[in-house]
Amino acid sequence: NAGVTQTPKFRVLKTGQSMTLLCAQDMNHEYMYWYRQDPGMGLRLIHYSVGEGTTAKGEVPDGYNVSRLKKQNFLLGLESAAPSQTSVYFCASTFGLGGSDYGYTFGSGTRLTVV
Amino acid sequence: DAKTTQPPSMDCAEGRAANLPCNHSTISGNEYVYWYRQIHSQGPQYIIHGLKNNETNEMASLIITEDRKSSTLILPHATLRDTAVYYCIVRPRYNFNKFYFGSGTKLNVKP
Repeated sequence: NAGVTQTPKFRVLKTGQSMTLLCAQDMNHEYMYWYRQDPGMGLRLIHYSVGEGTTAKGEVPDGYNVSRLKKQNFLLGLESAAPSQTSVYFCASTFGLGGSDYGYTFGSGTRLTVV
Repeated sequence: DAKTTQPPSMDCAEGRAANLPCNHSTISGNEYVYWYRQIHSQGPQYIIHGLKNNETNEMASLIITEDRKSSTLILPHATLRDTAVYYCIVRPRYNFNKFYFGSGTKLNVKP
């Protein structure tokens, strides 16, 4: 049981490049989330999904897009990377309504640097 | 949503109990108190949650005041591995779209 797996773990991008971060969970969770964490700060919600085929905006969605084509995967895309998007990105998942409420399970993070 | 206030940092001697306070004076009746911790730069880890009764699990105890305006997370015998940032979060149960992390408390466990 791997839990929540994020790929890649590290990445350096040049300004203007694009990339996709992948989050995969094997716990049959309904809800999935993308957060970013800047140095010395708490986590801020970018986008989330309450089920396959659904997505919604969080606190800081600008500059990011997401897709949830399969229940187990949640993709975060940066179309044109900017230095302000240098951060650590965390994916999380949870059962959702009717499920066990043990909070979120987080991945180990993707460290992205935009130069 | 209720906001939380936590001290930015605390120290604790190894082997002693660590008591981490959280103020949530604007909490509403359907909001639960959750605690997470983040060790170094890893993903946050769930610790415990509760509504109004005190809760205990293998990791920690959660004490919620009778008026629910504050709570305390207790690590009964802190170890060096408990050094982490601890986040107190309040949100309605099953409202999974309102889970906001603040700055938390950096707990330093010292030998």
